[in-house]
Amino acid sequence: QKEVEQDPGPLSVPEGAIVSLNCTYSNSAFQYFMWYRQYSRKGPELLMYTYSSGNKEDGRFTAQVDKSSKYISLFIRDSQPSDSATYLCAMSVGDYKLSFGAGTTVTVRA
Amino acid sequence: DVKVTQSSRYLVKRTGEKVFLECVQDMDHENMFWYRQDPGLGLRLIYFSYDVKMKEKGDIPEGYSVSREKKERFSLILESASTNQTSMYLCASRDPQGPEAFFGQGTRLTVV
Repeated sequence: QKEVEQDPGPLSVPEGAIVSLNCTYSNSAFQYFMWYRQYSRKGPELLMYTYSSGNKEDGRFTAQVDKSSKYISLFIRDSQPSDSATYLCAMSVGDYKLSFGAGTTVTVRA
Repeated sequence: DVKVTQSSRYLVKRTGEKVFLECVQDMDHENMFWYRQDPGLGLRLIYFSYDVKMKEKGDIPEGYSVSREKKERFSLILESASTNQTSMYLCASRDPQGPEAFFGQGTRLTVV
């Protein structure tokens, strides 16, 4: 079993829709929960991170962590074509190595 | 801005060749990582280093080695390239004080 599971999609939505992405994990020691965004032919860039449980909002993006269920989510409201990318969840124990999900490819249709 | 620079964007090598992938970061980060990225598998950790001359195996170290002689530089070595090592290779650095890892642009390696 992989340490971090993420449905690779692909996911295609119309402009303005809500995009919902999620990951599950098995290591209860994870403390940092991150979402990276990767555009085609580029390296991943950090979008948001949460320490321990709870919600975090940044503009159109909301990250949620439910440690009791070992489940994290990312929501993108009012999605735009510029949001088309691969979204990777990542987790770590402190400053130790990052463990990544497979990534979900999202296409927002204009 | 943190910058992580990988020496090549695209490489084509022959089976059996020794391949060097170079990575340099400019933010004095202690931690550096090498991942490979394959469709449907995400990023898998090959090796990481938390200090000069220190290294630890990641999840898929077989067929690879690394070198870190200077803090800013972390090299990945394919001792004898094989076709199953055709992949996108990503280098990253990370400050122990924060969770964010900064990635390079990636090197797409094709072994023929």
